[in-house]
Amino acid sequence: EAGVTQFPSHSVIEKGQTVTLRCDPISGHDNLYWYRRVMGKEIKFLLHFVKESKQDESGMPNNRFLAERTGGTYSTLKVQPAELEDSGVYFCASSQVPWGEQYFGPGTRLTVT
Amino acid sequence: AQSVSQHNHHVILSEAASLELGCNYSYGGTVNLFWYVQYPGQHLQLLLKYFSGDPLVKGIKGFEAEFIKSKFSFNLRKPSVQWSDTAEYFCAVNAHGSARQLTFGSGTQLTVLP
Repeated sequence: EAGVTQFPSHSVIEKGQTVTLRCDPISGHDNLYWYRRVMGKEIKFLLHFVKESKQDESGMPNNRFLAERTGGTYSTLKVQPAELEDSGVYFCASSQVPWGEQYFGPGTRLTVT
Repeated sequence: AQSVSQHNHHVILSEAASLELGCNYSYGGTVNLFWYVQYPGQHLQLLLKYFSGDPLVKGIKGFEAEFIKSKFSFNLRKPSVQWSDTAEYFCAVNAHGSARQLTFGSGTQLTVLP
């Protein structure tokens, strides 16, 4: 069984540019989560999809962040325009049931200069 | 809203020493509890989890954790650490109810000296 994959593994962009992160969950997992870890801080929840619907987006920092999940499969997280404080590691996770074990991807390290 | 505290930010041990990492959470309702580990260059993976039943939970690689409800704690233990246990350890909580996301502690970096 393939795990959660994320692309790219690293991204370095300038302030004001746009970046799109992609997450492919484990096949059959309806629940998909995005988290972020800013350097030195805890891993924080961004949002939760159930299939293609946003179940909870209370952790999204502001309207520069847009998440989508086309057809309930892969998900993208777009940051537009990027700011310096957006730098961090963005994790994606998926699970079969909402309260079950979440399987994490390797993360995308985003650096905004 | 729930929160999780990990009191040790960096722990350094010699091989064969015993390990205990503290984790306390604040939430008045029913919770699921997790310990995740991130080895250098690898992704987060589950060490162990507690949903219900026996409060002493055994996980992979000889780790165990004990849920003490009265203390809102879920400490991670291992009787004898190895160099390969060097990693960052995260305690996480998932509260029953409408919130389904994991709330993480700030992580504990464990360094095991050979």
